[in-house]
Amino acid sequence: NAGVTQTPKFRVLKTGQSMTLLCAQDMNHEYMYWYRQDPGMGLRLIHYSVGEGTTAKGEVPDGYNVSRLKKQNFLLGLESAAPSQTSVYFCASSYAGTNTGELFFGEGSRLTVL
Amino acid sequence: EDQVTQSPEALRLQEGESSSLNCSYTVSGLRGLFWYRQDPGKGPEFLFTLYSAGEEKEKERLKATLTKKESFLHITAPKPEDSATYLCAVRDSSASKIIFGSGTRLSIRP
Repeated sequence: NAGVTQTPKFRVLKTGQSMTLLCAQDMNHEYMYWYRQDPGMGLRLIHYSVGEGTTAKGEVPDGYNVSRLKKQNFLLGLESAAPSQTSVYFCASSYAGTNTGELFFGEGSRLTVL
Repeated sequence: EDQVTQSPEALRLQEGESSSLNCSYTVSGLRGLFWYRQDPGKGPEFLFTLYSAGEEKEKERLKATLTKKESFLHITAPKPEDSATYLCAVRDSSASKIIFGSGTRLSIRP
């Protein structure tokens, strides 16, 4: 089982460019999340989804958009990248209907905006 | 607003030297407190879930405890392979969002 797969793993953008990060999970999980991790800031929730076709804002949603057209995929888009969006992005998924809190994380996508 | 604060930011221990990491939280209707381990360049890995004050969970040299305002991760006789960043997180009353603290970087010297 691949678990949670993120693509790309590394990307360098210029200010104003757009891009999409793809997260795919093969565990049939209902919930999916996008976090960003910056030094000293921990993991901050950007957007999340509780099922196919649904999305919701997290702690730091500005500058990002998401879509969950298929249950297994959760896309994170940056329409006009800014240097402040330089970060490591983590996707995670979990079962719904339980409170185990066990999120399954991908390996991360390192984004640099020049 | 839900908040999770971890201390200390970094902790260096000698192999075999026991200590504790702290996680204090404010959340509307706690639906679970979680501990994760993160190795450099990797995604976090789940360790424990605690639901109610007084609950304890153990795994090898790690033991997590929970009170109404904070959680502790006790590490007993640590080994160098326990070196990692330990993250605390809480699930709020909506049961869908999980909020993380900034983590404690633990370094164990041989």
